[in-house]
Amino acid sequence: QVQLVESGGGVVQPGTSLRLSCAASGFTFNTYGVQWVRQAPGKGLEWVAFISFQGSNQYYADSVKGRFSISRDDSKNTLYLQMNSLRAEDTAVYYCAKLRHSYDSSGFTIDYWGQGSPVTVSS
Amino acid sequence: DIVMTQSPLSLPVTPGESASISCRSSQSLLYSNGNTYLDWYLQKPGQSPQLLIYLASNRASGVPDRFSGSGSGTDFTLKISRVEAEDVGVYYCMQALQTPITFGQGTRLEIK
Repeated sequence: QVQLVESGGGVVQPGTSLRLSCAASGFTFNTYGVQWVRQAPGKGLEWVAFISFQGSNQYYADSVKGRFSISRDDSKNTLYLQMNSLRAEDTAVYYCAKLRHSYDSSGFTIDYWGQGSPVTVSS
Repeated sequence: DIVMTQSPLSLPVTPGESASISCRSSQSLLYSNGNTYLDWYLQKPGQSPQLLIYLASNRASGVPDRFSGSGSGTDFTLKISRVEAEDVGVYYCMQALQTPITFGQGTRLEIK
């Protein structure tokens, strides 16, 4: 069965960096686009970043562009989110999410979500 | 960016009755391939979101047929017939057409 397991979250100070990982299993990772979605405490869902299969395309929310970087290592079936210059407003649970369609099929429907990794940015 | 607007934001429902949630997008979600990229997700308390409906009207695997999605262009509806206690949580619509991917504010369904 499909599993997405995030790790790397924690409590950090403003201005510092953190890298989240998402270990994927149960599907052919290198044929699917994957993305990160976050949820601030008590708030709704906010899309963060997407990376296509093979990693040729990356897209970011304006709120994180220039500070966050999404990448993947298909040899390890792992997705990453490098977060730099963290701000208090980046405090959230970060979910790793798999697209429903493989390869470059259109659309960004998510069919599986990880359990989430909490990140708290506070001094 | 495509703005997604849901209503109502709170929905108290008596078990066994039906419930409807509306979602409106600021621009059409119809793509040139004929697909309409509107999804519905449910986030149960303490859990990650789960896919209910994709491409506006297709039930995801394992989703009970009490859940149905309809609509086209910019106006969409999620209907839950015969609401059960396990249906409580926050329902989100999401446009899956283009980045930035955007979500509605969420509709909290509670049992009366």
